[in-house]
Amino acid sequence: AQKITQTQPGMFVQEKEAVTLDCTYDTSDPSYGLFWYKQPSSGEMIFLIYQGSYDQQNATEGRYSLNFQKARKSANLVISASQLGDSAMYFCAMREGISGTASKLTFGTGTRLQVTL
Amino acid sequence: DTGVSQDPRHKITKRGQNVTFRCDPISEHNRLYWYRQTLGQGPEFLTYFQNEAQLEKSRLLSDRFSAERPKGSFSTLEIQRTEQGDSAMYLCASSQTGGPEKLFFGSGTQLSVL
Repeated sequence: AQKITQTQPGMFVQEKEAVTLDCTYDTSDPSYGLFWYKQPSSGEMIFLIYQGSYDQQNATEGRYSLNFQKARKSANLVISASQLGDSAMYFCAMREGISGTASKLTFGTGTRLQVTL
Repeated sequence: DTGVSQDPRHKITKRGQNVTFRCDPISEHNRLYWYRQTLGQGPEFLTYFQNEAQLEKSRLLSDRFSAERPKGSFSTLEIQRTEQGDSAMYLCASSQTGGPEKLFFGSGTQLSVL
């Protein structure tokens, strides 16, 4: 069974607007972590934001925030004030297990975001 | 502070040849991971090291694949008798144990097997 589902193969957003990239996950482990990575055309995976399963508040990192809805098993990424440099592939990923276990991440298939003028 | 570096960036080889990739992690990181990414997919875990010990290998890693991390520093990934299905981006990542353990990735080695 697919553990990470990203249903949006591609998204467009106008510069300076906000955009939400969807991610749902499936796990029976009560302890897990959720990550978002950005992959520009250069190929490098860039860490954006992390949410732990026991974290009480939604994670935020600058223009990135994670809309964590545990009961719905969703972890959507919100990018505010989009910039042209945000155009890239975005991957949602999950690590099962408590902090300290190896980061064997399971990735979704990604969403390609294109920011337009 | 240098990031994770991988060499080469691109490798073209003929089916049946052996290839070796190198990864230099962030110096203070004790864990090193190899992932493989095929076109249109997210990366898939292959193996990881804690210091010099290889602690886990995915079933994706066939007997033709071998990875080493001598002295717990750089790592190499060797593929013997390459097949066309091995064509992919091979990504290396490193991390420091503790906390949410963010992975820092290199730019990858793009392998094309002809």
